[in-house]
Amino acid sequence: GAGVSQSPSNKVTEKGKDVELRCDPISGHTALYWYRQSLGQGLEFLIYFQGNSAPDKSGLPSDRFSAERTGGSVSTLTIQRTQQEDSAVYLCASSPPPASGIGYNEQFFGPGTRLTVL
Amino acid sequence: GNSVTQMEGPVTLSEEAFLTINCTYTATGYPSLFWYVQYPGEGLQLLLKATKADDKGSNKGFEATYRKETTSFHLEKGSVQVSDSAVYFCALSDSLLNDYKLSFGAGTTVTVRA
Repeated sequence: GAGVSQSPSNKVTEKGKDVELRCDPISGHTALYWYRQSLGQGLEFLIYFQGNSAPDKSGLPSDRFSAERTGGSVSTLTIQRTQQEDSAVYLCASSPPPASGIGYNEQFFGPGTRLTVL
Repeated sequence: GNSVTQMEGPVTLSEEAFLTINCTYTATGYPSLFWYVQYPGEGLQLLLKATKADDKGSNKGFEATYRKETTSFHLEKGSVQVSDSAVYFCALSDSLLNDYKLSFGAGTTVTVRA
């Protein structure tokens, strides 16, 4: 079946511009996560959605970052007034409803969006 | 808070050599532990997992055992192949907050030469 898809695959933007990154999770997956992979910081958690609500936004680095999810499906990560330090690969992952009694939830990752801020 | 410390690379091996990548963790609850792999040009894939102490995860000839007493989850493979060249990430998920977000190690780049 179809995996997690992300668009665009590459985005080059100028400092100060806003960007939107899109994630299409696997159908039926209720949880959705955004992570960022950068040279200096490794892989960092940004935000978690359960359905359309975001109970954990603790990883968003500043108020320039926001995300929403609609219809329990597609999610958009928006970065306003981009800075050069925002350059990274942004990864999206989704996971199915947790099975009862299982203490983990496997996450399936998309290919990522490589963002370059000039 | 939660954190993962992973052996730094890069690691270069010859085919059929033994591979070990060390991973230790700090967690507030009872985490599940994972190894993810990122092959060149591809996305992150789950390689193996262990959800409680003394569990052994295994896949594609790789193994890792969840050692609570040493807070470790070292990855091993007895005989590597060129196709194992990839970046390997150790990660944990702590379900205390019910969000299962992953905390990753820095990643170890492994290159296997024929």
